[in-house]
Amino acid sequence: RKEVEQDPGPFNVPEGATVAFNCTYSNSASQSFFWYRQDCRKEPKLLMSVYSSGNEDGRFTAQLNRASQYISLLIRDSKLSDSATYLCVVNTNAGKSTFGDGTTLTVKP
Amino acid sequence: GAGVSQSPSNKVTEKGKDVELRCDPISGHTALYWYRQSLGQGLEFLIYFQGNSAPDKSGLPSDRFSAERTGGSVSTLTIQRTQQEDSAVYLCASSPLGGASLREQYFGPGTRLTVT
Repeated sequence: RKEVEQDPGPFNVPEGATVAFNCTYSNSASQSFFWYRQDCRKEPKLLMSVYSSGNEDGRFTAQLNRASQYISLLIRDSKLSDSATYLCVVNTNAGKSTFGDGTTLTVKP
Repeated sequence: GAGVSQSPSNKVTEKGKDVELRCDPISGHTALYWYRQSLGQGLEFLIYFQGNSAPDKSGLPSDRFSAERTGGSVSTLTIQRTQQEDSAVYLCASSPLGGASLREQYFGPGTRLTVT
């Protein structure tokens, strides 16, 4: 079993839709959590950190559930430009950083 | 400010040759990571440097791979006797702080390595 698991998708949604991705992790010592987006043939870019209380950045909402060991990303009012691969990242205090394999989103007109 | 830079952006080499890939992290960032990503695949952790601590080399796939970080700044990833399966994009990332206060990572554009 992988340390960080994501549904690879692809998720194909129409513009304006709401879409949610989940990511589960197995290491209970994990301390910090992030979502990145990666466009085709580009490097990953930080989308947002994930805080225990949940956090929102515009159309994006991230949640953390430590008891069940998963994080989620909700995208509201999807835009064509949201099409990308979304990676969840889980870090431990020891510096180990584990990326999920990513969930691919395609937003269609 | 300046982001993470990597060189070369592309490298084509013959099987059996050695290659060196360079990463210049963001100034002041104490943590530096190397990953590789094959086409259509996720990121594979290779090595992690944090300040003056011994690096975490647990992700290096074989003893043909090595990395160093001089003066706590620039890092070089060396692959000896390259094989075709080494072909991938090699990504470097730096982070402002490691250890107990792990922070987000900032990635360079990567080096695309092709072994023929």
